Amino acid sequence: QKEVEQNSGPLSVPEGAIASLNCTYSDRGSQSFFWYRQYSGKSPELIMFIYSNGDKEDGRFTAQLNKASQYVSLLIRDSQPSDSATYLCAVNGDDDKIIFGKGTRLHILP
Amino acid sequence: GAVVSQHPSWVICKSGTSVKIECRSLDFQATTMFWYRQFPKQSLMLMATSNEGSKATYEQGVEKDKFLINHASLTLSTLTVTSAHPEDSSFYICSAPTRPNPTDTQYFGPGTRLTVL
Repeated sequence: QKEVEQNSGPLSVPEGAIASLNCTYSDRGSQSFFWYRQYSGKSPELIMFIYSNGDKEDGRFTAQLNKASQYVSLLIRDSQPSDSATYLCAVNGDDDKIIFGKGTRLHILP
Repeated sequence: GAVVSQHPSWVICKSGTSVKIECRSLDFQATTMFWYRQFPKQSLMLMATSNEGSKATYEQGVEKDKFLINHASLTLSTLTVTSAHPEDSSFYICSAPTRPNPTDTQYFGPGTRLTVL
């Protein structure tokens, strides 16, 4: 059974600081990794995807992948109150499915 | 990114009635779509995989006769909740993967909030 583990939080970060979200996955053969943001009452929104070891940057977001450690992280620089949401880590599964973690609640303190 | 729409965005119905939810991929073709359910403050639960031109595959514990899925075209999948009961009240979300492999990413529809009275 493929699993994705995340700390449920809440993670509280002061406005303007760096928020660091972490995720581990069980299947060493996983190839694709995703971060989704979900606001309360809304559906998940894709923020980043990463396939190769190392860092991938997009604006204030940086995804980091370490396949040897089976670890994925998301850094949010210059955190804003609008970044307060639940962040879902996901990895590819069989048959085009995506395996989601339970999500980490992030709260940016004004 | 790719756009997936759902209709309706919310629906209220009486117990015992059936409700149909549509999921459309607006700017790409999707041979596969996924249906999820999410209860308040809980994580996404995959219900079934909708396959264009063939039967849907359901996750363990999901009643296929209660949640009817039809994937009639490359851009449309429908989920019908038959004989809905209050315990079926939930947030139903569809998603569709883009192509090509291996860079599949899934885009979610905005969701349908179902309330069964």
